[in-house]
Amino acid sequence: EAQVTQNPRYLITVTGKKLTVTCSQNMNHEYMSWYRQDPGLGLRQIYYSMNVEVTDKGDVPEGYKVSRKEKRNFPLILESPSPNQTSLYFCASSSSDRDYGYTFGSGTRLTVV
Amino acid sequence: QKEVEQDPGPLSVPEGAIVSLNCTYSNSAFQYFMWYRQYSRKGPELLMYTYSSGNKEDGRFTAQVDKSSKYISLFIRDSQPSDSATYLCAMKSSNTGKLIFGQGTTLQVKP
Repeated sequence: EAQVTQNPRYLITVTGKKLTVTCSQNMNHEYMSWYRQDPGLGLRQIYYSMNVEVTDKGDVPEGYKVSRKEKRNFPLILESPSPNQTSLYFCASSSSDRDYGYTFGSGTRLTVV
Repeated sequence: QKEVEQDPGPLSVPEGAIVSLNCTYSNSAFQYFMWYRQYSRKGPELLMYTYSSGNKEDGRFTAQVDKSSKYISLFIRDSQPSDSATYLCAMKSSNTGKLIFGQGTTLQVKP
């Protein structure tokens, strides 16, 4: 089944403790992206990647890092999480940046206390 | 001013009603318009997309784009309880991969 897999689904952590949210897709998609979803703000792009070793900032990149060493994986790294990063995070992929439809993962609900 | 504005609702309708969901936008460069549906505890899934102006129909769903008014709509006919979800509009211009989302409208269809 074609899908984007995120892990973990739920995560509660403390301020300052480094964490990684993994994202993997099995569709050989070139384009991958991370979003955060907050009430009243909708989906906002954090980082995106056009292909392996090519990443760029989205609208809200502060406090996040990403890497794209393999085509299928696009982990999101929070080096020193803070409470304002408490949010619902989605990874998405598409065949190219000009594709209409993105395939989204099921989301990771992160709480930073 | 946000690039894309969408009334968050919530919108509650009886089963069988016609539902109209709308978004306005400010960037005249947008040419690709999409509607995503997001069920609770799930990621968004693409429902419909249109290019430039006009209408597109798929079963009970119709998407409309009016570029002159910078206004897009999604109509749902004969709404069903299974249509209860959050609907997000999204759009992009032709020369960038960046997809801009509206805030989403929560719809509840009551049996």
